[in-house]
Amino acid sequence: QKEVEQNSGPLSVPEGAIASLNCTYSDRGSQSFFWYRQYSGKSPELIMFIYSNGDKEDGRFTAQLNKASQYVSLLIRDSQPSDSATYLCAVNQAGTALIFGKGTTLSVSS
Amino acid sequence: EPEVTQTPSHQVTQMGQEVILRCVPISNHLYFYWYRQILGQKVEFLVSFYNNEISEKSEIFDDQFSVERPDGSNFTLKIRSTKLEDSAMYFCASTTSGGAFGITDTQYFGPGTRLTVL
Repeated sequence: QKEVEQNSGPLSVPEGAIASLNCTYSDRGSQSFFWYRQYSGKSPELIMFIYSNGDKEDGRFTAQLNKASQYVSLLIRDSQPSDSATYLCAVNQAGTALIFGKGTTLSVSS
Repeated sequence: EPEVTQTPSHQVTQMGQEVILRCVPISNHLYFYWYRQILGQKVEFLVSFYNNEISEKSEIFDDQFSVERPDGSNFTLKIRSTKLEDSAMYFCASTTSGGAFGITDTQYFGPGTRLTVL
């Protein structure tokens, strides 16, 4: 059974702080790793993807991948109240279905 | 910016009735997916579709479910005889390559249809 695990939170950070979200996955064959943001009652919105070990930066977001440890993380710098949402980690092998974690709820207080 | 669209946004039905959920994927995308999310739970894969046939399906996608691409733009999910436990948000997603040629296959999600079975 392919699993993606995330701490459900809530993770609470003050405005301007760094939020760190973590995810582990069970399938060593996983090739692509995605972070989606989901506001309550809305659909998942892609933040970024990563498929090589190391860091990938996009604006205030940095994704980190360690395939040996089967670990993916997302750092959000200068967190804003508008970043308050549930963050979904998803993984797949090329061309296959995304397997989602349950998501981590982030709350950024002003 | 092109986006996936879904109709209706909310569907209420009686148990045992048939429902059809509709999706219009992004126009140059070739791979289509249905996912569902029961309230408070994780997003779960139902089925993927490419070249007018199912390419992958989960154990949730039993004989009560079917998918179809009736024309060049629409992609539908039919539930033949709805049950209470079918109440969920249903998301359609699409992607260009499906991971072919080593290209990461980012899946873009539509806004969802909230299905309520009474």
